[in-house]
Amino acid sequence: AQKVTQAQTEISVVEKEDVTLDCVYETRDTTYYLFWYKQPPSGELVFLIRRNSFDEQNEISGRYSWNFQKSTSSFNFTITASQVVDSAVYFCALSGSARQLTFGSGTQLTVLP
Amino acid sequence: DAGITQSPRHKVTETGTPVTLRCHQTENHRYMYWYRQDPGHGLRLIHYSYGVKDTDKGEVSDGYSVSRSKTEDFLLTLESATSSQTSVYFCAISETDLAKNIQYFGAGTRLSVL
Repeated sequence: AQKVTQAQTEISVVEKEDVTLDCVYETRDTTYYLFWYKQPPSGELVFLIRRNSFDEQNEISGRYSWNFQKSTSSFNFTITASQVVDSAVYFCALSGSARQLTFGSGTQLTVLP
Repeated sequence: DAGITQSPRHKVTETGTPVTLRCHQTENHRYMYWYRQDPGHGLRLIHYSYGVKDTDKGEVSDGYSVSRSKTEDFLLTLESATSSQTSVYFCAISETDLAKNIQYFGAGTRLSVL
C-alpha cells in the first residue's frame, strides 16, 4: 500500500519569506513517481512537477525548488520569496506500478501581504 | 490546458436520487480517472478506466459505478445518492506512455446531496 503524508495542515507566511512544504511517502515499488499539484482558491488542480524514483537531482524552476531524498522518503517543495499569488493548497502525490495517484491531505499555504 | 470538460459544474440533489457526472476529453488519452476531494483527505480515487469498456475500482468505489463507451467520455454514476457523497469530484486523464504519466485534471464538479 502507498501512503503520502503532508504533516503541515496550514502554513502562514509574510510575503517575501521562503517557505518549505514537507512531503513524506511510503511505497514498496522500486519504480515510482512523485508529484506536486497546486490548488488555488478557484479550485482547479494545477500540475507543478513530476520526479521519478531514479532521479534524485534537485530541481529549480523560478522561485520553486524541489528536494527529493530517497534516504528519508521525502520530496519537499520550497517557494523562495513567496508572493500572495502563491496562496493555495498544495498536494503531494505518488504513483507506482499502478498508475493511480495517492495524494497527501494537502497543505494550505497563506501568504500575507 | 488539457482539454477536459466536466459537467455539470455544480449540482444539488436529494438523497436517494440517481446522479450522473460526465467527463469529456479532447486529448484522445487512454486513461481516465474519477476522484473525490473531501476536507482532510486530499483526493481519493473512485474508479479509473484504461480503455473503452475497461474500468477498475479505486480506493473508495462503494456506491459508485462508471462507464466508458467512447474514448472521450467517462461517466460516474451515483445510483442512489447519499449525504456522504457530498463532495467535489474531479476527473483526470493521462497518456498511455508511463514515461508521460502525468494526470491532468478537469475543473471539478461540486455535488451536494441533501
